[in-house]
Amino acid sequence: EAEVAQSPRYKITEKSQAVAFWCDPISGHATLYWYRQILGQGPELLVQFQDESVVDDSQLPKDRFSAERLKGVDSTLKIQPAELGDSAMYLCASSLGQGLEGANVLTFGAGSRLTVL
Amino acid sequence: GQQVMQIPQYQHVQEGEDFTTYCNSSTTLSNIQWYKQRPGGHPVFLIQLVKSGEVKKQKRLTFQFGEAKKNSSLHITATQTTDVGTYFCAGHLGNEKLTFGTGTRLTIIP
Repeated sequence: EAEVAQSPRYKITEKSQAVAFWCDPISGHATLYWYRQILGQGPELLVQFQDESVVDDSQLPKDRFSAERLKGVDSTLKIQPAELGDSAMYLCASSLGQGLEGANVLTFGAGSRLTVL
Repeated sequence: GQQVMQIPQYQHVQEGEDFTTYCNSSTTLSNIQWYKQRPGGHPVFLIQLVKSGEVKKQKRLTFQFGEAKKNSSLHITATQTTDVGTYFCAGHLGNEKLTFGTGTRLTIIP
């Protein structure tokens, strides 16, 4: 069964350091999402890509967060500098994006858990 | 902040008892999706409802979408230990952004 790949699974960093997360969506999925999930809460959308274009980044703290999907396939989410409040699970998900019913169903990766000390 | 609320936040049930979680949106949803997240895991898609008043069943799970398309519910009959996890609803709001609910965490007492 096709999976969304994410790395690293775990990252511990000190505040003010830079951190990056990588995501490889399911082949053929045009839409890619980065969500942040704080322990005990639901996932919150940070950024959504349609192919290589950003379609929603309204909740992305742009002073420290950046995301790219240069070739419309894999994606990188960067935080610089990291703050204590950034400790969370960063989930990547992908979907077909358009077309048949079910094209907007999300398949999530295993996530990258970030701890900022 | 999140515009999709779920109640209850936590639910502890004896194995074999029924369980229901309710999802409410402040705005009309074009559709509603349900996901399950096992402890330490990631959300996994369960089902999508699109039509007003729609009811779908998956074995012991029954999903409903409200007539006004602002609320939904998930009912599990005769819970089993494998049902443990957090159940999230997620809805597409007007701008098509998928917004997740606050989740209901289900624990089972054997």
